[in-house]
Amino acid sequence: LAKTTQPISMDSYEGQEVNITCSHNNIATNDYITWYQQFPSQGPRFIIQGYKTKVTNEVASLFIPADRKSSTLSLPRVSLSDTAVYYCLVGDVGGSYNTDKLIFGTGTRLQVFP
Amino acid sequence: GAVVSQHPSWVICKSGTSVKIECRSLDFQATTMFWYRQFPKQSLMLMATSNEGSKATYEQGVEKDKFLINHASLTLSTLTVTSAHPEDSSFYICSATGTSGPSYEQYFGPGTRLTVT
Repeated sequence: LAKTTQPISMDSYEGQEVNITCSHNNIATNDYITWYQQFPSQGPRFIIQGYKTKVTNEVASLFIPADRKSSTLSLPRVSLSDTAVYYCLVGDVGGSYNTDKLIFGTGTRLQVFP
Repeated sequence: GAVVSQHPSWVICKSGTSVKIECRSLDFQATTMFWYRQFPKQSLMLMATSNEGSKATYEQGVEKDKFLINHASLTLSTLTVTSAHPEDSSFYICSATGTSGPSYEQYFGPGTRLTVT
């Protein structure tokens, strides 16, 4: 399981774009990159997942360079409600019915100010 | 879809007693369920992985006799904290993956706050 490294915390203001980068130098060929969001006293919530290049959904974009040793979660125009902890996880969970355990790193505590 | 529930959402118990926490997949069948523990201001720590009908696989350092996990059906897994002590007070979270669809997405429950007095 590849270890991930993220900034401990980040601050932003409402309306700004926030980019959180995660390093995973030992990512394996079969590993996917997944990001989760967690609010206090709640379970994590899936945000986005990708294998390479760029993935975009209704809430975020995920940028993965060709070497896949890092990834960047991009949150466009954050609001106060985006204040949460964001976790980057790497694991071999891409195959059908192939379930690998997810190991959570320290996460990034994002604080959005008005 | 893909909702996971936990019960109770919080529980207070006395030291030495046992507490059971339920994790249910409400609208899908979960072949694999995971149990995590989270202390304040810390990340989630994986405790064990359970597959329906088989024994759970515990992470290193987790006492299997203290944290009993039962995954009796495709929609229910239970975690029993036996002889609880104050140091077991924590936020316990379960997650599940389904039998169909993308397997990369784990669906997390809302968590159970355990306080041992």
